[in-house]
Parts: sequence; structure tokens; C-alpha cells
Amino acid sequence: NAGVTQTPKFRVLKTGQSMTLLCAQDMNHEYMYWYRQDPGMGLRLIHYSVGEGTTAKGEVPDGYNVSRLKKQNFLLGLESAAPSQTSVYFCASSFGNSNQPQHFGDGTRLSIL
Amino acid sequence: RKEVEQDPGPFNVPEGATVAFNCTYSNSASQSFFWYRQDCRKEPKLLMSVYSSGNEDGRFTAQLNRASQYISLLIRDSKLSDSATYLCVVRAFYGGSQGNLIFGKGTKLSVKP
Repeated sequence: NAGVTQTPKFRVLKTGQSMTLLCAQDMNHEYMYWYRQDPGMGLRLIHYSVGEGTTAKGEVPDGYNVSRLKKQNFLLGLESAAPSQTSVYFCASSFGNSNQPQHFGDGTRLSIL
Repeated sequence: RKEVEQDPGPFNVPEGATVAFNCTYSNSASQSFFWYRQDCRKEPKLLMSVYSSGNEDGRFTAQLNRASQYISLLIRDSKLSDSATYLCVVRAFYGGSQGNLIFGKGTKLSVKP
């Protein structure tokens, strides 16, 4: 019963490096989301997708790109990492945007030096 | 812009105590309301949805006051396992948006023996 799986779980990058975070869900959910969580802040939405091949900007999209080539996968890319992107990143998925709950992955802890 | 506000706590209570958390939201277009629970260094998990008439799930009771834009969560007979951060979450549909979740910063609860 995998649910939402994020890889990697931890990563340390140097400023300017690039990387991709992978989110995979096996629940056949249409909607997928990427959030970041910083100390003293609530979760903030970076980008989201309402279906395969679609993406949209959330509250804090700058410095990130996403792709949803397959329904089960949602990739978050950092093209040129900055220390301000040090955070815990959570992926989530849901059936829709009504009262359906969002199911979260267990997070990726990313440090940018 | 503080769309969802919560008392950050921490609330330190003995086992068996009753504890109440409050939350206010600023967007009157908010239509769905939830309480999520987040354990230390873990992902958020849905605790319960909040309905207009109020709802109960075992020891947990949620209330919504749309006129005052206020949500509450009551926990009766606190257990050690209730220790966590409780996130107030609202969803607002406006301006043609698909209605994304807005998370409060969370209220930390610590239940002591």
C-alpha cells in the first residue's frame, strides 16, 4: 500500500546546482500538488496539476518547474538551486478539489549550501 | 497576508484533559474546511473535515461559524498519542481558481503523563 512516494528523502545541494524531485502515487488520483514547509510557516503551494499533461502555478512558484507526463508522476525541478529553497518539500494527491482529502508523501528534506 | 490564523501554542496539557484549538480565516469565499494533524518530522494527515452543522469523530469535535469565519477543534480525554501539531486548513473557490488549500501554521499540542 504505497500511496504517495517521494524520492529522494534527503538531499544536500550546492548553490547553482540543479535537481529533480520525484513524486509517484498509485491511487489513480487526478490532482497532484507540490508544497514547501518552512519553520514558522504553513505549507505553501508551489505548483499543482489537475491531470496528466497539465500544470499550474501555486502561491510560490518562482525558481521551480514541474511536469506531469504520466498521471501517476509529478516532478518538481530546481534549475539553479538557491539557499532560500532550503526547505521540506511535500507532494500530495487527491481525487478532486471538493472535500476529497489530500494524501501526502513523507517529504523530502532539501538543504542548499 | 494571513488567510488562516491559529494560536501557535504550544498547549501543554495533562492526560485526560480537554483542549480546544481555534482558527480564523479571512476569505469569506472559503467553502471547505479541514483539520489536519502533523507529527514531528512527518507528513500532514487528514484528521477530519469540518461541516457547517458541526461534526464529531470519537473524542474530536469540530465546529464552524461562517458568520465569524471561525473554526474550532475540541479534543476530549487527551491521550499521549494526541501530541502533534494541528493544522487548520481552508479551501476557497474564487476568481475561477480550482480552489487550493490554504494551511494555517499549526497549533502544537503536547500531552503529558
